[in-house]
Amino acid sequence: EAQVTQNPRYLITVTGKKLTVTCSQNMNHEYMSWYRQDPGLGLRQIYYSMNVEVTDKGDVPEGYKVSRKEKRNFPLILESPSPNQTSLYFCASSLLSGSSYEQYFGPGTRLTVT
Amino acid sequence: AQTVTQSQPEMSVQEAETVTLSCTYDTSESDYYLFWYKQPPSRQMILVIRQEAYKQQNATENRFSVNFQKAAKSFSLKISDSQLGDAAMYFCAYNTNNAGNMLTFGGGTRLMVKP
Repeated sequence: EAQVTQNPRYLITVTGKKLTVTCSQNMNHEYMSWYRQDPGLGLRQIYYSMNVEVTDKGDVPEGYKVSRKEKRNFPLILESPSPNQTSLYFCASSLLSGSSYEQYFGPGTRLTVT
Repeated sequence: AQTVTQSQPEMSVQEAETVTLSCTYDTSESDYYLFWYKQPPSRQMILVIRQEAYKQQNATENRFSVNFQKAAKSFSLKISDSQLGDAAMYFCAYNTNNAGNMLTFGGGTRLMVKP
């Protein structure tokens, strides 16, 4: 089944404790991205990657890191999480980076930082 | 910068009736795409319908249709014969090739369907 998977689905952590949220897609998509969803703000893009070893900042990149060593994986890293990073996170992928290509979303990761 | 605005935080509709969700956007681009996504309680983001800006004909997908007014920068979603399963958050989104394929989302409209 073609899908985007994220792990973990739920995470509660404390301020400053490094964490990684994994994202994997099995559709051989070149383009992958991370969004965060906050009430009233919709989804906002954090980082995106147009291909292996090519990443760039989205609208809200502060406090996050990403890497794209393999085509299928695009982990999101929070080196020192803070409470303002409590949010719902989505990974998405599309075949190519053009705007005509549908983006497929993962199931979301609910992160709480205390 | 592009912005997308959904002015209705919540809407309700009676089952089998029709409801229209509003969306306006601001852009200086001439070539772009517009989308409506549905987010049910499962939190999964589901693409409902999309519209290419260069197409004058409004997109339709079964009970879902859009009213795309390019000059007014308006993109509303009409749901006909509403069903209980339509209850969800609905997000309007915009995308252009010049934005690294970044989807710009509105704040969302929560749709409730009354039996």
